Amino acid sequence: AQSVSQHNHHVILSEAASLELGCNYSYGGTVNLFWYVQYPGQHLQLLLKYFSGDPLVKGIKGFEAEFIKSKFSFNLRKPSVQWSDTAEYFCAVRGSSASKIIFGSGTRLSIRP
Amino acid sequence: GAGVSQSPSNKVTEKGKDVELRCDPISGHTALYWYRQRLGQGLEFLIYFQGNSAPDKSGLPSDRFSAERTGESVSTLTIQRTQQEDSAVYLCASSLDGGSPLHFGNGTRLTVT
Repeated sequence: AQSVSQHNHHVILSEAASLELGCNYSYGGTVNLFWYVQYPGQHLQLLLKYFSGDPLVKGIKGFEAEFIKSKFSFNLRKPSVQWSDTAEYFCAVRGSSASKIIFGSGTRLSIRP
Repeated sequence: GAGVSQSPSNKVTEKGKDVELRCDPISGHTALYWYRQRLGQGLEFLIYFQGNSAPDKSGLPSDRFSAERTGESVSTLTIQRTQQEDSAVYLCASSLDGGSPLHFGNGTRLTVT
């Protein structure tokens, strides 16, 4: 069965700092990987996804993530964060095209203005 | 509407009562998921429906929990004999198919007193 680990529970950064949120998954086969974001008072929405091809994927609002198969990782990055990036970020994995999507426990990102 | 609709948005119930939560997915979406999010925690997978296939019920925490879906439309999540630990936000999501990103509803906040 697949599982997802997000090691950072709460990250606090200043504006313009660089961001990297860790995500590791456990699954032996082909995976689809996702990052979802939940802004305060809003519902979850897709930030970016990896299905196949270029392991460096770019999403909305300047976010990107790199799939490193050998490390079972899919870390989220942004070169310069803004106050509006304050949100909860969830990594998710699906083990095959027909199976459930499992979410990590989430990382709360707080940005100091 | 164009999004996933969940009702009620809030539900307060007494311990021991049964509750029924409803999810209207986006029209044409064959996949439907239920998740539970306890306060300050991540998304816990409950159940997954994909078309006419048998649902994946592996996440249901006990036999007090059940869910149904009529074809590719409405789904209901039923919790019998509610307990205080059932208090959480119950999220529904749908996707075009098993390989597409999820669209989430706003959730039902369940409080068991």
